[in-house]
Amino acid sequence: GNSVTQMEGPVTLSEEAFLTINCTYTATGYPSLFWYVQYPGEGLQLLLKATKADDKGSNKGFEATYRKETTSFHLEKGSVQVSDSAVYFCALIGQAGTALIFGKGTTLSVSS
Amino acid sequence: EAQVTQNPRYLITVTGKKLTVTCSQNMNHEYMSWYRQDPGLGLRQIYYSMNVEVTDKGDVPEGYKVSRKEKRNFPLILESPSPNQTSLYFCASRRGSETQYFGPGTRLLVL
Repeated sequence: GNSVTQMEGPVTLSEEAFLTINCTYTATGYPSLFWYVQYPGEGLQLLLKATKADDKGSNKGFEATYRKETTSFHLEKGSVQVSDSAVYFCALIGQAGTALIFGKGTTLSVSS
Repeated sequence: EAQVTQNPRYLITVTGKKLTVTCSQNMNHEYMSWYRQDPGLGLRQIYYSMNVEVTDKGDVPEGYKVSRKEKRNFPLILESPSPNQTSLYFCASRRGSETQYFGPGTRLLVL
């Protein structure tokens, strides 16, 4: 079945450091891929998405590229801020369009 | 404003006392679902609904019930809550394979 694997956390960075959170997936066909973010005490909100191979999703300085050949959707940001401290979830919806399947989440902590 | 609402946001109850968590969306989405979030386990789907009167089990349905009598509402029912159902619950909705929108969460403690 479909699945998502993302790097375990926590990830601890200093302000202005470069961020990468790895995400790989297993799915048949062409799933849609998402990154969601959960700030402390809040619900999940969409950060970015990509719906076909080689698409790049971007938002708030974060980027991720849909790589079909490596089945990956790694999240990157060039310069993190303290306000980026949150839990980040990689997710996919399969081509059949049923469940949104999540990775286990990666906690990011940014210090000034 | 497009949104998913859940009530209550916080609930403390005792074992065996039936409870319902309501969920409503104003985006006319066909698909709705419930998740629970637990430390170290991430988000796990409890039940989902593809449309009115169509519901199906997710990964962890035991101890839960749902109904979908109207398109906008998708309540989660715990008929006899137990301490292992203490968790953070999220309702969500979407159209097709588009972006899924989440409610703010309901934090449940079962004593």
